[in-house]
Amino acid sequence: GESVGLHLPTLSVQEGDNSIINCAYSNSASDYFIWYKQESGKGPQFIIDIRSNMDKRQGQRVTVLLNKTVKHLSLQIAATQPGDSAVYFCAENIEEDTGRRALTFGSGTRLQVQP
Amino acid sequence: TAGITQAPTSQILAAGRSMTLRCTQDMRHNAMYWYRQDLGLGLRLIHYSNTAGTTGKGEVPDGYSVSRANTDDFPLTLASAVPSQTSVYFCASSEQGTGTEAFFGQGTRLTVV
Repeated sequence: GESVGLHLPTLSVQEGDNSIINCAYSNSASDYFIWYKQESGKGPQFIIDIRSNMDKRQGQRVTVLLNKTVKHLSLQIAATQPGDSAVYFCAENIEEDTGRRALTFGSGTRLQVQP
Repeated sequence: TAGITQAPTSQILAAGRSMTLRCTQDMRHNAMYWYRQDLGLGLRLIHYSNTAGTTGKGEVPDGYSVSRANTDDFPLTLASAVPSQTSVYFCASSEQGTGTEAFFGQGTRLTVV
């Protein structure tokens, strides 16, 4: 079946550098995408979202890019800080024929920030 | 505002026993969800509810049941637990309608022995 996946399971960066986490999706009907951050022992926390009619969206230190042509999503974190160390999930949201609208998650990328 | 509250935080359960994981939200969200999270598999949807009084099956519904008697509560029941149901369970909620972000609880760590 169609699914959301991630290219890199673990990403290690130096503090202060920029981080880029990638995600591939295969469901061309997906119309909404979200990035979540999950710290150890906690539930996923919303970072930023983007709808399929947009190519780019910026938040505080984070930018999400959507390339619908190649079905690719990326999360860019500027000036990465130790507090950014976590597992990052991309998720797609689609309304199915059954009426179900729920998030489908990728397997996650662990970001490790080195001091 | 508490957001989403799950209980218990963790539980060890003997195989064959039943258990209900509780989830309550105070955001008046119409949609609620139960996910399980296993290492290497990410979060997988168990059951969902688009609005009070309705429920639906997700990706991995077998062995689980849910009910949605009101807007705020969405309990998940394991009728007869098996070791493969050892996992971390997350409840989430979101506004109904076009895609919106889901808010997650802190999770329930369940170990079936």
